[in-house]
Amino acid sequence: KQEVTQIPAALSVPEGENLVLNCSFTDSAIYNLQWFRQDPGKGLTSLLLIQSSQREQTSGRLNASLDKSSGRSTLYIAASQPGDSATYLCAVSSSGYALNFGKGTSLLVTP
Amino acid sequence: NAGVTQTPKFQVLKTGQSMTLQCAQDMNHNSMYWYRQDPGMGLRLIYYSASEGTTDKGEVPNGYNVSRLNKREFSLRLESAAPSQTSVYFCASSEGPPSGANVLTFGAGSRLTVL
Repeated sequence: KQEVTQIPAALSVPEGENLVLNCSFTDSAIYNLQWFRQDPGKGLTSLLLIQSSQREQTSGRLNASLDKSSGRSTLYIAASQPGDSATYLCAVSSSGYALNFGKGTSLLVTP
Repeated sequence: NAGVTQTPKFQVLKTGQSMTLQCAQDMNHNSMYWYRQDPGMGLRLIYYSASEGTTDKGEVPNGYNVSRLNKREFSLRLESAAPSQTSVYFCASSEGPPSGANVLTFGAGSRLTVL
């Protein structure tokens, strides 16, 4: 069974810092990897989708990389803002029908 | 743009009671999903539906039933609620088949407490 781990579980940074969130997975035979954002009491918003053949995807201040061979993905957030405070979830598709989610990294960006 | 709408947002049940969580999407998506989110466990797939009239079990289907009433609606039923089913339930949909290659759109969640 695919296991997805996210480190750190929680992170607090001052506004303006660049930061990296980490995601690792145990089975490298994946279809794709997605990063989601979850605000308190809300649903999940898809941020970036990286297909297994891709190395990275970018959207605005967000950049996600994928290294299938090592079972790792990173989400890079540039010039963090208080509005970036949320929980970030990594999800891997490797079974053909379901996403395997990590437990998330709770990010707090302080003014 | 409503996207994925879940009702109710909050519900408190007593052990043994039954209830149905409703989900509707207005994006003409083919596939729909029910997940549960528990502290320290991440999101886990309960059931999914690749098209109207079809449903399949996910990772944690025990204690639940689902109905894909039509293309828009996918309901989750608890026949005899148990405290272990206290959770936040999310409905999601995607345009393509549930192969994981799609971007999923999630509802805002339904918080269920079973006493």
